[in-house]
Amino acid sequence: SAVISQKPSRDICQRGTSLTIQCQVDSQVTMMFWYRQQPGQSLTLIATANQGSEATYESGFVIDKFPISRPNLTFSTLTVSNMSPEDSSIYLCSVEPGSTEAFFGQGTRLTVV
Amino acid sequence: EDQVTQSPEALRLQEGESSSLNCSYTVSGLRGLFWYRQDPGKGPEFLFTLYSAGEEKEKERLKATLTKKESFLHITAPKPEDSATYLCAVQGNNQGGKLIFGQGTELSVKP
Repeated sequence: SAVISQKPSRDICQRGTSLTIQCQVDSQVTMMFWYRQQPGQSLTLIATANQGSEATYESGFVIDKFPISRPNLTFSTLTVSNMSPEDSSIYLCSVEPGSTEAFFGQGTRLTVV
Repeated sequence: EDQVTQSPEALRLQEGESSSLNCSYTVSGLRGLFWYRQDPGKGPEFLFTLYSAGEEKEKERLKATLTKKESFLHITAPKPEDSATYLCAVQGNNQGGKLIFGQGTELSVKP
């Protein structure tokens, strides 16, 4: 298993600003994943982040809006840029620590006002 | 297109009343089917991974089964602490670790 810490756990932000979410894992992992869970909805993959390469974004998500960093094998950040109320969601970090079980952080609850 | 559909959307049970949650899926080459539990305000908590039709896994009052088209999460004699949203997800071969999630079943167990 893996222990994943996300920061912040929640935030209220003004529209037009940006928020960077941090994800720290207690072991080295090859792949890290960022998901979004909109109110009342299930999880949707935003992008996959591998260390040493550009993140791979899913359809409907772009790097300018959701830039991702992956500086090492235990850490990643997701930035939500130029926020609007439609970006209000829970953002979740996930990892696969060498198996097919995917573990999730506690999530970051973002409210944009 | 890979797709996951869960039913029912919501389920209310009395304590001790056993039932099942359904997860129907279509995927081009199943690598694994996952069940998660999600409590309000928290991230999904991993429960099971099933890899092939006929496989079953159990954990306390929960038992997950898998066929070629669907998975069931059986809850035996549930307790109020089993109340949560249960999420089903599939991972296809050559998907690079991506999970496709269903909408979830919100389970409420009343004492």
